[in-house]
Amino acid sequence: AQKVTQAQTEISVVEKEDVTLDCVYETRDTTYYLFWYKQPPSGELVFLIRRNSFDEQNEISGRYSWNFQKSTSSFNFTITASQVVDSAVYFCALSEGETGANNLFFGTGTRLTVIP
Amino acid sequence: KAGVTQTPRYLIKTRGQQVTLSCSPISGHRSVSWYQQTPGQGLQFLFEYFSETQRNKGNFPGRFSGRQFSNSRSEMNVSTLELGDSALYLCASIQGGGTGELFFGEGSRLTVL
Repeated sequence: AQKVTQAQTEISVVEKEDVTLDCVYETRDTTYYLFWYKQPPSGELVFLIRRNSFDEQNEISGRYSWNFQKSTSSFNFTITASQVVDSAVYFCALSEGETGANNLFFGTGTRLTVIP
Repeated sequence: KAGVTQTPRYLIKTRGQQVTLSCSPISGHRSVSWYQQTPGQGLQFLFEYFSETQRNKGNFPGRFSGRQFSNSRSEMNVSTLELGDSALYLCASIQGGGTGELFFGEGSRLTVL
């Protein structure tokens, strides 16, 4: 059965600090996709990244970086030099199979508060 | 490029009533998915439609149904509303038929009294 665990319920950091959001997943499929989404107070989920199970390369996009490790079933997300605008709830999600399509299993989310 | 549009944004219903929510995907997107978000259960997949056909369905009772029209717009319906159906209902669209970036709308917040 599939499962996504975000053990950190809430995190508070002071502006300009780095912060890492943890995500651990479980799946029996060899083909799967991992996602990170940001949910600001407005409610909509904003796509941040998608990774397939065959691509373990880490990725950096501006102040954001992602560390995908199949050996530990983790897909962690780091924000460098955090800003107040980064305050939001962040969700990690899993989609299984080549035709898993848009059936995403979400973690419970991590609420990040960046204090000015 | 217009985003995913969901209507209504907020609505209040009473137990036993039914509700219909609408989702207009991004132009050119053919797949629409629906999710329910509650404080207790988090984000849960409801169903997905592609080319007017339901392709996947989550673990929800038959009171929850949906459909997709030829222009890719989608509606979901909840009949015989229960207090526990109070939630933010999110719609997402994706361009093709495979797995990719889901673009979400701002959601329809349903309150059942």
